Amino acid sequence: QKEVEQDPGPLSVPEGAIVSLNCTYSNSAFQYFMWYRQYSRKGPELLMYTYSSGNKEDGRFTAQVDKSSKYISLFIRDSQPSDSATYLCATRSNTGKLIFGQGTTLQVKP
Amino acid sequence: SQTIHQWPATLVQPVGSPLSLECTVEGTSNPNLYWYRQAAGRGLQLLFYSVGIGQISSEVPQNLSASRPQDRQFILSSKKLLLSDSGFYLCAWSVGLQSGYTFGSGTRLTVV
Repeated sequence: QKEVEQDPGPLSVPEGAIVSLNCTYSNSAFQYFMWYRQYSRKGPELLMYTYSSGNKEDGRFTAQVDKSSKYISLFIRDSQPSDSATYLCATRSNTGKLIFGQGTTLQVKP
Repeated sequence: SQTIHQWPATLVQPVGSPLSLECTVEGTSNPNLYWYRQAAGRGLQLLFYSVGIGQISSEVPQNLSASRPQDRQFILSSKKLLLSDSGFYLCAWSVGLQSGYTFGSGTRLTVV
């Protein structure tokens, strides 16, 4: 079993839709969770960073961590074509290194 | 502010040729440095990481090596490239154990 699992998609939605991206992780000791956005042929950029359980909101983006089910989510409201990218979830292992999901490719159609 | 530079952006190399990719970080001291490879349609694979000058840890046995000759310089090398070395190579840095990683813009390597 992979330590972080993420559905690779692709996911296609119309502009304005609410997008839900999800990951599961295996180790209940993980405390730090991140979402990265990667545009085509670019390096990933940190989008959201959360600690432990709960929600964190930044503009149209909301990151949610449910430690009881080992489930992390990223919600995008009022999605835009510029949100079309690959979204990678990540968690920090006990050794300090990040463990990434495979990434979900999102396409927002105008 | 902190910045990370990675070059070249694109590289086409013949099988059997050597490789040298360079990454430098500005605006921070004693960063943790990482080399990742991302194959088409696949996730990020950690290749090497370094917590200090001369300290290199390898995650996956392969045809590649890494060196850190200076605090903010990280080099990925190969003596003889294989076709399977093709991919998107990313350098990243972090400070401490509680921060996220900052990635460079990547090098797309095609071995022909």
